[in-house]
Amino acid sequence: EAGVVQSPRYKIIEKKQPVAFWCNPISGHNTLYWYRQNLGQGPELLIRYENEEAVDDSQLPKDRFSAERLKGVDSTLKIQPAELGDSAVYLCASSPQTSTDTQYFGPGTRLTVL
Amino acid sequence: GDSVTQMEGPVTLSEEAFLTINCTYTATGYPSLFWYVQYPGEGLQLLLKATKADDKGSNKGFEATYRKETTSFHLEKGSVQVSDSAVYFCALSATYGGSQGNLIFGKGTKLSVKP
Repeated sequence: EAGVVQSPRYKIIEKKQPVAFWCNPISGHNTLYWYRQNLGQGPELLIRYENEEAVDDSQLPKDRFSAERLKGVDSTLKIQPAELGDSAVYLCASSPQTSTDTQYFGPGTRLTVL
Repeated sequence: GDSVTQMEGPVTLSEEAFLTINCTYTATGYPSLFWYVQYPGEGLQLLLKATKADDKGSNKGFEATYRKETTSFHLEKGSVQVSDSAVYFCALSATYGGSQGNLIFGKGTKLSVKP
């Protein structure tokens, strides 16, 4: 069974530029999460989807971050414009259903903003 | 709100040494508890979990027991190997409101095992 797929694995951009990250969850997993992991810290949730609905986006900085999960499968996280402080690893995770605790993580996208 | 506190690293051990990484939590309800491991250059992998008090999670020689009375979930291994070198994260599933089920992580503990 394929795991959570993320792309790109690495991205380097200039500040004020836009950037997008893509995630394909494990087949059949209804719940999808985006986390941000700063250097030396644990992951912090940005947004959680149940199917195509964003059910918890309370930690998403909505002035510059947006996300979508069309058709309840793949998801895209966008930052526009990027700031220096956005440099981090962006992790996508999925779980089978809302009542299931175990989350399966992708390898992440390491973003560097110069 | 819910939170996780784990011992700061880095931790350096010799091969075959005993490992303990402390983790304590604060939660308004009764969360599930997890240990995730992150090997260099890879994503987080679930190491073990426990869903209720006194449950013991175990995997690959690692163990952790859900202690409600001390709000702890310490990770232990009797004999570490060089291949165990990684960053270990303690986490809980949030118990309140709209965040229920979301994972809340500790800061991570980096383990280095020397041959």
